[in-house]
Amino acid sequence: GDSVTQMEGPVTLSEEAFLTINCTYTATGYPSLFWYVQYPGEGLQLLLKATKADDKGSNKGFEATYRKETTSFHLEKGSVQVSDSAVYFCALVDSGYALNFGKGTSLLVTP
Amino acid sequence: NAGVTQTPKFQVLKTGQSMTLQCAQDMNHEYMSWYRQDPGMGLRLIHYSVGAGITDQGEVPNGYNVSRSTTEDFPLRLLSAAPSQTSVYFCASSYLGQSNGYTFGSGTRLTVV
Repeated sequence: GDSVTQMEGPVTLSEEAFLTINCTYTATGYPSLFWYVQYPGEGLQLLLKATKADDKGSNKGFEATYRKETTSFHLEKGSVQVSDSAVYFCALVDSGYALNFGKGTSLLVTP
Repeated sequence: NAGVTQTPKFQVLKTGQSMTLQCAQDMNHEYMSWYRQDPGMGLRLIHYSVGAGITDQGEVPNGYNVSRSTTEDFPLRLLSAAPSQTSVYFCASSYLGQSNGYTFGSGTRLTVV
């Protein structure tokens, strides 16, 4: 079945450091891929998405490129801020409508 | 727009009690779903609905019931709460279509003692 694998956290970075959170997926069809962010005590918010191979999703300085050949959708940001501290979830939708989530990666950015 | 509204935000139940978690959306989304979030487990799908009168089971449906009598509302019922149901519950909705992201509610933190 479909599945999403994320790098385990927590990830701790200093402010202005470069961020990469790895995400790989297994799917039988041609899924749409998503990154969600969850700030402490809140629900999940859609951060970015990509619906076909080689698409790049971007938002708030974050980027991720849909790589079909490596079945990956890694999240990157060039310079993180303290306010980026949150839990990040990679997810996919293949057949049907249900989002299939990875287990999440906690990010802590220190001043 | 209010988006997705979940009530209550916090709840403590005794084992064996029943309750209903409420979820309402005002975006005319066809698709609604319930997830539970547990440490180290990510989010797991409990039940979902693709329209009024249509519901189906997700990955972890046991112990939960749902119904969808209107487009706006999708309540989750716990008939006899168990400590294993201690979790944070999220309701999410979207338009039908594979490329649409979900809009999430702010969650209900449930503790069963």
